[in-house]
Amino acid sequence: EAQVTQNPRYLITVTGKKLTVTCSQNMNHEYMSWYRQDPGLGLRQIYYSMNVEVTDKGDVPEGYKVSRKEKRNFPLILESPSPNQTSLYFCASSFTGAGETQYFGPGTRLLVL
Amino acid sequence: RKEVEQDPGPFNVPEGATVAFNCTYSNSASQSFFWYRQDCRKEPKLLMSVYSSGNEDGRFTAQLNRASQYISLLIRDSKLSDSATYLCVVTEYGNKLVFGAGTILRVKS
Repeated sequence: EAQVTQNPRYLITVTGKKLTVTCSQNMNHEYMSWYRQDPGLGLRQIYYSMNVEVTDKGDVPEGYKVSRKEKRNFPLILESPSPNQTSLYFCASSFTGAGETQYFGPGTRLLVL
Repeated sequence: RKEVEQDPGPFNVPEGATVAFNCTYSNSASQSFFWYRQDCRKEPKLLMSVYSSGNEDGRFTAQLNRASQYISLLIRDSKLSDSATYLCVVTEYGNKLVFGAGTILRVKS
């Protein structure tokens, strides 16, 4: 089944404890991206990647890192999480870019205490 | 000013009603336009792309007005299952995606 998977789906952590949210797609997509969704603000793009080893900042990259060592994986890293990073996070992918259908993962709910 | 603005609603309509949503975007260089649907904090899913010539998919019609920088979505004969949040999405240079905050639709029997 073609899909985007994220892990974990739910995470409670404490301020400053490094964490990684994984994202994987099995559709051979080149474009992958991360978003956070907060009430009243909609989805905001954190980072995106056009292909392996190519990543760019979205609108809200501060406090996040990403890597794209393999085509199928695009992990989101929070080196020192803070409470303002409590949010719902979505990973998405598409064949070649932003101008195509984006396929979203199921989301990761993160609470930083 | 937000880059993509939508009326948050909620729009409460009876079954069978016609409802229209609008969305405005600030960047005249925006290149691609979409409507996504999101159910209750689940992942967004593409509803339809939006073209200058307008496009229709069953009960749904989308329009783009580049001169006025707005996008519309018309839903005819609303069903209970249409209840969701509708997200207006535009792309910008550099392959960035910008989402509106969403418009809530509630269809009641």
